[in-house]
Amino acid sequence: GQNIDQPTEMTATEGAIVQINCTYQTSGFNGLFWYQQHAGEAPTFLSYNVLDGLEEKGRFSSFLSRSKGYSYLLLKELQMKDSASYLCAVLDSNYQLIWGAGTKLIIKP
Amino acid sequence: GAVVSQHPSRVICKSGTSVKIECRSLDFQATTMFWYRQFPKKSLMLMATSNEGSKATYEQGVEKDKFLINHASLTLSTLTVTSAHPEDSSFYICSARDGGSDNQPQHFGFGTRLSIL
Repeated sequence: GQNIDQPTEMTATEGAIVQINCTYQTSGFNGLFWYQQHAGEAPTFLSYNVLDGLEEKGRFSSFLSRSKGYSYLLLKELQMKDSASYLCAVLDSNYQLIWGAGTKLIIKP
Repeated sequence: GAVVSQHPSRVICKSGTSVKIECRSLDFQATTMFWYRQFPKKSLMLMATSNEGSKATYEQGVEKDKFLINHASLTLSTLTVTSAHPEDSSFYICSARDGGSDNQPQHFGFGTRLSIL
């Protein structure tokens, strides 16, 4: 079966750095997405990785290792508004998007 | 760019009522739109994939006659929850893919919170 694993919840301090991991086992791979979802709101697109390596976009970076079936989202200089759930999603060989359950990130002052 | 509008944002209605939810791509054409359902503290559950001008593709376990989907134009898809019951209460979210390529990101509407009394 297809599976995406990410931690259920993480806590970090304002101003610090946090890394949210995602591991996947899917039938094929056509890219991995990270989305941010605030409570009661719809997800917003953060990043897309299809090749190995690190993609940096401001305070957020996303890394992919296809051989390890692994990705992480790195958030720097954390702000209170970064408190949200972070969803990892993988496009499989049929271009179906497989969603992880999300990681709830709690930022403390 | 890539804005998706979803309306209404919240619906409260009596059991047995049918509810229509609209999803519009405002600044791009969306050949494919997706309808999701999300339970509290759970991830998104894909209900169906909506393709412009053709019948929607429903995920296993989703009742086609219960959740009617129409994608009449490149910018509009609608989901109608027919004869809604309390167990249909949920957060429904649509998304649209910008561009014809399957690896383009999905952009989401703001969601519709449906409460059936």
